[in-house]
Amino acid sequence: EVKLLESGGGLVQPGGSMRLSCAASGFTFTDFYMYWIRQPAGKAPEWLGFIRNKANGYTTEYNPSVKGRFTISRDNTQNMLYLQMNTLRAEDTATYYCAREVVTYFDYWGQGVMVSVSS
Amino acid sequence: DTVLTQSPALAVSPGERVTISCRASESVSALMHWYQQKPGQQPTLLIYLASNLESGVPARFSGSGSGTDFTLTIDPVEADDTATYYCQQSWNDPLTFGSGTRLEIK
Repeated sequence: EVKLLESGGGLVQPGGSMRLSCAASGFTFTDFYMYWIRQPAGKAPEWLGFIRNKANGYTTEYNPSVKGRFTISRDNTQNMLYLQMNTLRAEDTATYYCAREVVTYFDYWGQGVMVSVSS
Repeated sequence: DTVLTQSPALAVSPGERVTISCRASESVSALMHWYQQKPGQQPTLLIYLASNLESGVPARFSGSGSGTDFTLTIDPVEADDTATYYCQQSWNDPLTFGSGTRLEIK
């Protein structure tokens, strides 16, 4: 059974940093592109970035809205996906999901973790 | 970016047929996908590549369309279908989501 489980959210002050983790299980982690997607309360999801699979060298791409502030990485020995978020702003407040991509759509999402940026 | 326009909300009675539309600002070929999101939960995949039913999803759900106009149909609607439904395109870079259609079952 495929499972994705995020952790690491919470309250952070503006300008602060936070790292989110996503534990993956039930599939061959290295075969898949992995995404981070966020969703402010009551709004549509927004993709933040992704990291490619082994066949494509684990390279990354980012939404311009977070490029330079957010970094995606993966530990393929532990089947873990990470999102390092720096210089956080109030508008980064959202529920953050990791998701597995299959042929350009998302067949599995984690349950999500809330990040609140406030003083 | 490709803008996906969805009606904000619909209300239907159980047993009825409902169609939820998604219009793209430019062609997305058949790379349109649909998700269901129940309150407090993560989105779940319903339909991929415009018309393919995800494994485990009831056959009451179906999708159609190509180019710029797409439809998600639920027939018949059940009380458990109360949720927000999002379309997502992946033909044009960057991928984008629609603003969602909130479905209320009367």
